[in-house]
Amino acid sequence: EAQVTQNPRYLITVTGKKLTVTCSQNMNHEYMSWYRQDPGLGLRQIYYSMNVEVTDKGDVPEGYKVSRKEKRNFPLILESPSPNQTSLYFCASSFPSGASYNEQFFGPGTRLTVL
Amino acid sequence: AQSVTQLDSHVSVSEGTPVLLRCNYSSSYSPSLFWYVQHPNKGLQLLLKYTSAATLVKGINGFEAEFKKSETSFHLTKPSAHMSDAAEYFCVVLSGTYKYIFGTGTRLKVLA
Repeated sequence: EAQVTQNPRYLITVTGKKLTVTCSQNMNHEYMSWYRQDPGLGLRQIYYSMNVEVTDKGDVPEGYKVSRKEKRNFPLILESPSPNQTSLYFCASSFPSGASYNEQFFGPGTRLTVL
Repeated sequence: AQSVTQLDSHVSVSEGTPVLLRCNYSSSYSPSLFWYVQHPNKGLQLLLKYTSAATLVKGINGFEAEFKKSETSFHLTKPSAHMSDAAEYFCVVLSGTYKYIFGTGTRLKVLA
């Protein structure tokens, strides 16, 4: 089944404890992206990747890191989480990059709480 | 810079009546536009997309949207609401090649 998977689905952590949220897609998509969803703000793009080893900042990149070493994986790293990063996170993928009409496929979401 | 505005944060309709969710965009060139739906505690699912082939776009579950360049609008409609349509809906514009910009969402409530 074609899908985008995220792990963990739920995470409660404490301020300053490094964490990684994994994202994997099995559709051979070139484009991958991370979003955070907050009430009243819709989804805001954190980082995106056009292909392996090519990433760029979205609208809210502060406090986050990403890497794209393999086409299928795009982990989101919070080196020192803070309470304002409590949110619902979505990973998405699309194929191919550069085709403006291609929609994104979304993962199920990761609900993160930082205490 | 491109942007998208969803004009209503909440919409309530009775089951069987029409649905209208409004979206306006700003773009310096012909945009790519999408509508996504998010059911409670679920991920996002594509409803429809505008690819410049036709101004009236039909999507899944009886939804459609009309691209109106003169009004810079891409409103989502459905002739008859069903209880299962209760969800949050997002209008999205693709800025350039890689950046997707989401509206703030419209929560649709369907009354029995």
